[in-house]
Parts: sequence; C-alpha cells; structure tokens
Amino acid sequence: AQTVTQSQPEMSVQEAETVTLSCTYDTSENNYYLFWYKQPPSRQMILVIRQEAYKQQNATENRFSVNFQKAAKSFSLKISDSQLGDTAMYFCAFMKQDSNYQLIWGAGTKLIIKP
Amino acid sequence: DSGVTQTPKHLITATGQRVTLRCSPRSGDLSVYWYQQSLDQGLQFLIQYYNGEERAKGNILERFSAQQFPDLHSELNLSSLELGDSALYFCASSRQGAFDEQFFGPGTRLTVL
Repeated sequence: AQTVTQSQPEMSVQEAETVTLSCTYDTSENNYYLFWYKQPPSRQMILVIRQEAYKQQNATENRFSVNFQKAAKSFSLKISDSQLGDTAMYFCAFMKQDSNYQLIWGAGTKLIIKP
Repeated sequence: DSGVTQTPKHLITATGQRVTLRCSPRSGDLSVYWYQQSLDQGLQFLIQYYNGEERAKGNILERFSAQQFPDLHSELNLSSLELGDSALYFCASSRQGAFDEQFFGPGTRLTVL
C-alpha cells in the first residue's frame, strides 16, 4: 500500500525567509501524481502545486516550487519569500494512476510565518 | 471560493443519531469525493462518485453511505453516530476524475456529543 510521510509536524520561519517542507512516499508504481495542499485556519483545502511523476522538470507556481526526486521518492515543497498568509497546515498527497483517483495524504506540517 | 458548496457548515448531534451532509460540486464537474479529517490529522478518503455511480471506496464505515443524484449533488449519510465520528467532512469535485485537480468545499464540522 502507498504511504506518504511528512516528518516535520511543525515549522516556523521569519517573514521573507525561504522554507522547505519535506515529504517522502512509498510506492512500487511508476506512474503517479504528487500534490501539495494548503489548509489555512479557515480549514479550506487549497491546491498549491502538483507534479506528474513522468515529468523530470520540477513544478513551479510563483513563490512555490518542488524538488521532486523520483528515485529517492521525495517531494519537498519550497516556499520563497514567505508571507504571513502562508501560515497554514501543508499536506502532501499521492495519487497513483489506477487508483480511481484517490488521494493518499500525509499527516501534515504546520507552518507558522512569524512577522 | 472553490465553487463547491457544502451544507450545513456545522452540525452538533448526539450519539446514536443519523445525519446527512450535502455537497454541490462545481458546475460541470462529474466526480465527487468525500473525505474525513479528524482533529489535526490528514484526510482519509471515504468514497468517490462519478456521474451518479460509485467509483471507488476508501476507509468508509458500514454505518456510512453516500449517493450522487442526477443533478450531480451528493449526500453523505452517517448513522448510529459515535463520539469518534466527530470530524471535519470535506467534499471535493473534479471535472472527470482523471488526474484533474480536486476542488474542495469548505467542509462540514460534525460534533457528536
């Protein structure tokens, strides 16, 4: 069975700093997708970024980028120039190609941006 | 605003009772997913519907059931409620289901006393 591990329960950084959240996953599949979702205090789940496993190029969305290491089964999220509004729970999620599109979730990392 | 609506926002009930949570997907989305999030934990996939038919089941208890109606809205029924069922229940929708982005509703907070 696939598992997703986020080893950092909580992190805090100063505003404007860069922070990296780690995620590792376990699968024997070759084709899959990986996602980072953000859950602010409002509890709304918001997609931050996603990566197709067959793509070697790391995905980027403005200040958010990933470091996808397929062989190491690692999918870290880097937030540059962090802002107070980035304070949230961040969840890493995995979806395999033939899973009927179920998302398997990590336990989350609580990120606090300090002013 | 994701375009996915869920009602009610909050629900407080007693053990042994039955409740129904409702979800309206984004316009044009055919897939609906239900997730359970217990306090400070990740999400657990419960069930998925695609265009009215059940497509996938996750960790859904037998006391729970769901359906998707012809207008594509979905309902999650929780019966014989226990204290441990207290959680945030999310509905998400996607266009087809084939790796499309899942858009999440605001969730229903269920408290079982």
